[in-house]
Amino acid sequence: DTAVSQTPKYLVTQMGNDKSIKCEQNLGHDTMYWYKQDSKKFLKIMFSYNNKELIINETVPNRFSPKSPDKAHLNLHINSLELGDSAVYFCASSQLRLAGVGEQYFGPGTRLTVT
Amino acid sequence: GQSLEQPSEVTAVEGAIVQINCTYQTSGFYGLSWYQQHDGGAPTFLSYNALDGLEETGRFSSFLSRSDSYGYLLLQELQMKDSASYFCATEAAGNKLTFGGGTRVLVKP
Repeated sequence: DTAVSQTPKYLVTQMGNDKSIKCEQNLGHDTMYWYKQDSKKFLKIMFSYNNKELIINETVPNRFSPKSPDKAHLNLHINSLELGDSAVYFCASSQLRLAGVGEQYFGPGTRLTVT
Repeated sequence: GQSLEQPSEVTAVEGAIVQINCTYQTSGFYGLSWYQQHDGGAPTFLSYNALDGLEETGRFSSFLSRSDSYGYLLLQELQMKDSASYFCATEAAGNKLTFGGGTRVLVKP
């Protein structure tokens, strides 16, 4: 019973290509996130969606475009891939709470390698 | 802006106690979370402090002092499987988490 799943797990591609990563959660959560973890393990939020509405949009190049067809899915499309995009991308989900919740459920990650 | 400081690495032996400190500067602070990540794995939630004080969950405890912008994670009775990276994270509006750089804990026999 996978809670948060991502596909693919590994993605190797060349500079300039366009690629997508898919994420699905079966926890019934209303909020989903994309994080990027670089080679030094620094984990940074990129986007979050609540009920298909974008609520967090960090300083991310506009080559990255998230799409949420419904609250259980959040996909990440990346155009014109660059070497610096190589990282592990994690999807996560939580139930939005005004007072804070602290707990997010992370998917297994997608290791993107751009050559 | 948001910034968090935590030690980069800690080494201890099995059965020992390790404390990982985290200081933060953040606006719109809701609470402090702790996550564990094994090499090649995903971050997994350990604990959350919204109020001052100590939260205990089995061998792990977490503490928060909002007035000092400081918290710590206490790992007791260390086991080999506790070797991992541990991240503190502040939570702000929109359940937005900002992570520290992580502390790599190495447990030796």
